[in-house]
Amino acid sequence: EPEVTQTPSHQVTQMGQEVILRCVPISNHLYFYWYRQILGQKVEFLVSFYNNEISEKSEIFDDQFSVERPDGSNFTLKIRSTKLEDSAMYFCASTEGGTGGATDTQYFGPGTRLTVL
Amino acid sequence: AQSVTQLGSHVSVSEGALVLLRCNYSSSVPPYLFWYVQYPNQGLQLLLKYTSAATLVKGINGFEAEFKKSETSFHLTKPSAHMSDAAEYFCAVSDLGGGFKTIFGAGTRLFVKA
Repeated sequence: EPEVTQTPSHQVTQMGQEVILRCVPISNHLYFYWYRQILGQKVEFLVSFYNNEISEKSEIFDDQFSVERPDGSNFTLKIRSTKLEDSAMYFCASTEGGTGGATDTQYFGPGTRLTVL
Repeated sequence: AQSVTQLGSHVSVSEGALVLLRCNYSSSVPPYLFWYVQYPNQGLQLLLKYTSAATLVKGINGFEAEFKKSETSFHLTKPSAHMSDAAEYFCAVSDLGGGFKTIFGAGTRLFVKA
């Protein structure tokens, strides 16, 4: 069964450093998402991406965050200057729907655990 | 705006007992609702989803949920708990305002006692 993959599984970085989290969505999917889960808290939406541009972003997704689909397969989340509070599990997700339908199942990747020291 | 509230951050049941995890939603339009499960150190797996068809939705691993509009609820149940059901469960709603992102509840951790 097709699945969303994410690399690395765990990333440790120093405060102020840039990190890039990578995701490979399911190949025929058109909508892509990043979510964040701080330890012990709920999963929070960061950003959605369609047709090579951001569809929607949350207030968490400030100027230090950016997303990119550099080629036909990868979908990346860049954090420009990491802060301690960026430590979390980051999940990528993708949806098939041609219209980004609300009923479409979002397939989630296994996550990248980011630890900022 | 859509939202979900999960009642109880922790639920503990004995193996073989009924599992009931509660979720209430808030939505000004007919919602699309989901239950996800997260096993330790793993990602999110879809258990089931409600998309305005049948109000009783059956999912994987013997779970089901019933959409009750009058109660604005979408509780998750399983008749007989198994040790392998121990996990975190998230109720979620699809945001119909644009982008169709998923809005998650705070989660309920299910413990299953032998």
